[in-house]
Amino acid sequence: ETGVTQTPRHLVMGMTNKKSLKCEQHLGHNAMYWYKQSAKKPLELMFVYSLEERVENNSVPSRFSPECPNSSHLFLHLHTLQPEDSALYLCASSQDRFLPYTFGSGTRLTVV
Amino acid sequence: ELKVEQNPLFLSMQEGKNYTIYCNYSTTSDRLYWYRQDPGKSLESLFVLLSNGAVKQEGRLMASLDTKARLSTLHITAAVHDLSATYFCAVDPAGGTSYGKLTFGQGTILTVHP
Repeated sequence: ETGVTQTPRHLVMGMTNKKSLKCEQHLGHNAMYWYKQSAKKPLELMFVYSLEERVENNSVPSRFSPECPNSSHLFLHLHTLQPEDSALYLCASSQDRFLPYTFGSGTRLTVV
Repeated sequence: ELKVEQNPLFLSMQEGKNYTIYCNYSTTSDRLYWYRQDPGKSLESLFVLLSNGAVKQEGRLMASLDTKARLSTLHITAAVHDLSATYFCAVDPAGGTSYGKLTFGQGTILTVHP
């Protein structure tokens, strides 16, 4: 148990479905992140929520929509995804910008 | 744009041997991190290197940072099977206070065999 919990662990969805990924941390951290991990590619930052700001990678398609209702919870809403969106989606949190991130175990997403 | 490159990307080692993973980055950095990822699991923080010449050691792993060369190394001593994993370096560029600036390398897949 890493302190950052992601659900579900695995998700298979059709291109017309709508689903959400959930991330929860009880570490008292002030920032939460979504990363995409695809085969043979570096980890790609999608979104950051901190007490001060929300940061998003402009290359992330609008079919991915984040939500951060409080400092402990982070969601990634998915709709009309494409097969190339199949990847491991990792959530992370950190106390501040400079301390190491704590990662969750990820959600393995397959779009069919 | 900050670029972080690791080499090698794949490393097959015999138990008991030594080897080094290299992490090069393209701009001035405030700090550098090393993470480990086991198959199907999350990334685990190994080291944080904060200044030029910093060296950190944990067990058979030793990480160092040369900010002038923009290079970090992860040295493996007398490898054992339990070290088989993917190792990532990640670099935070110097300056600024915004979140989300950490850039990861591609990862090095290490396999240690008898």
